[in-house]
Amino acid sequence: KAGVTQTPRYLIKTRGQQVTLSCSPISGHRSVSWYQQTPGQGLQFLFEYFSETQRNKGNFPGRFSGRQFSNSRSEMNVSTLELGDSALYLCASSLAFAEQFFGPGTRLTVL
Amino acid sequence: QQPVQSPQAVILREGEDAVINCSSSKALYSVHWYRQKHGEAPVFLMILLKGGEQKGHEKISASFNEKKQQSSLYLTASQLSYSGTYFCGTSDSFYNNDMRFGAGTRLTVKP
Repeated sequence: KAGVTQTPRYLIKTRGQQVTLSCSPISGHRSVSWYQQTPGQGLQFLFEYFSETQRNKGNFPGRFSGRQFSNSRSEMNVSTLELGDSALYLCASSLAFAEQFFGPGTRLTVL
Repeated sequence: QQPVQSPQAVILREGEDAVINCSSSKALYSVHWYRQKHGEAPVFLMILLKGGEQKGHEKISASFNEKKQQSSLYLTASQLSYSGTYFCGTSDSFYNNDMRFGAGTRLTVKP
C-alpha cells in the first residue's frame, strides 16, 4: 500500500501571499488530520476531516482552512501568509479511530 | 490542552534503559506514541486505550494509567536506532481524532 503523500515538499512564499498544500491519504483511510510543526511549538493540531466534513479544529486563526474531497484527498490553504507561518506542515491519515500515518510533510518558508 | 512530556531530553549508552512520561490534565480515552527521526515524518509506535492496559513492541513497551491520566513509554536495552524524538499524542474521546501532542522527548543513544 502506498503511504501518505504530500505535495509540494518545499515551498517558498512571501508575506501576504496565500498557499495551498495537498495531501493524499492511504487508500481506504477516510480521516485526514493536519498539523503544524515548528521547533518552538512542536506538533500543533490544525484540523481533521472525515468524509468531507471538518470534524475537529485546533486553535489557529481563520487564515488556515482546509477541505476534503470525495476521494479523501485533502487540501490545506493559508491566506495572507505571515513570517510565523514558516513551518513543516504534516498531514496524517487514519481509519476512523486508529493510529495515524504521517506523510513526509511540506516545508513552507515565508520570506 | 497539550499533554506534558518528561524528560525533555535524555542521553543513553547502548544497552541502557529509559522511561518517557506523558501526563494530561484531561481525562483521556487514548494515548498514542510516535517516534520522529531528524528530517523524517513521525512514525507510529503504539496506541493504548482507556482501560489501563500495557503494550509491548519489541523492546519498547508502554503503560496507560487512566486514573492518573498518565502514560509511560519504556525503552529497554536501547539500540542506536532508538535515537529520535518521541511524542505522545492524546485524545479524550473514541469518536474524536483531535490529537494533542506533547512537546517531545529527544532521545540520543550513543555507542
